[in-house]
Amino acid sequence: TQLLEQSPQFLSIQEGENLTVYCNSSSVFSSLQWYRQEPGEGPVLLVTVVTGGEVKKLKRLTFQFGDARKDSSLHITAAQPGDTGLYLCAASDSNYQLIWGAGTKLIIKP
Amino acid sequence: DAGVIQSPRHEVTEMGQEVTLRCKPISGHDYLFWYRQTMMRGLELLIYFNNNVPIDDSGMPEDRFSAKMPNASFSTLKIQPSEPRDSAVYFCASSLVGPNTEAFFGQGTRLTVV
Repeated sequence: TQLLEQSPQFLSIQEGENLTVYCNSSSVFSSLQWYRQEPGEGPVLLVTVVTGGEVKKLKRLTFQFGDARKDSSLHITAAQPGDTGLYLCAASDSNYQLIWGAGTKLIIKP
Repeated sequence: DAGVIQSPRHEVTEMGQEVTLRCKPISGHDYLFWYRQTMMRGLELLIYFNNNVPIDDSGMPEDRFSAKMPNASFSTLKIQPSEPRDSAVYFCASSLVGPNTEAFFGQGTRLTVV
């Protein structure tokens, strides 16, 4: 069974701080997606990474795909209250379907 | 485009009653997914369709759950009879290219079975 483990499960920090959340697996994936879900809404795609070692930036968010395509990280610089939400990673498995991590619940306090 | 539209947003029903959740995918998207989200189990794929045909229903918890897609613009998820453990947020999502590409989610239906 292919599993995606996200850590930490919960993170609460002050506005302006930096943070990193992780998405790890023992399996190799062809691609990996990061979504953000706000309360009362469905997840919304932030980025897709495909190549091992790939780094993508979205304003203050930096996403990295591990060299072996088994893990990924999301780094947020100078976090803002608007970054609050549930961050989910999802990876394409060998059957070309998405498997989902349990998510990291992030709270940014003003 | 209005995005994926789900109805109702909230549903409270008594145990044993039939519940029907509705979804309108984004026009032109060939794939439609039904997910369930709970605190304990996270986001779980229940079933997905390609061009209105069910492809994988291995995530459907039991025979009380059924899903249909009579045409490209409408799908339903039915629970009959409903049980308290079915309480969750149910999401419908659609994608353009394939089951492992960007999924566009609706706002979800929060189901409470009392």
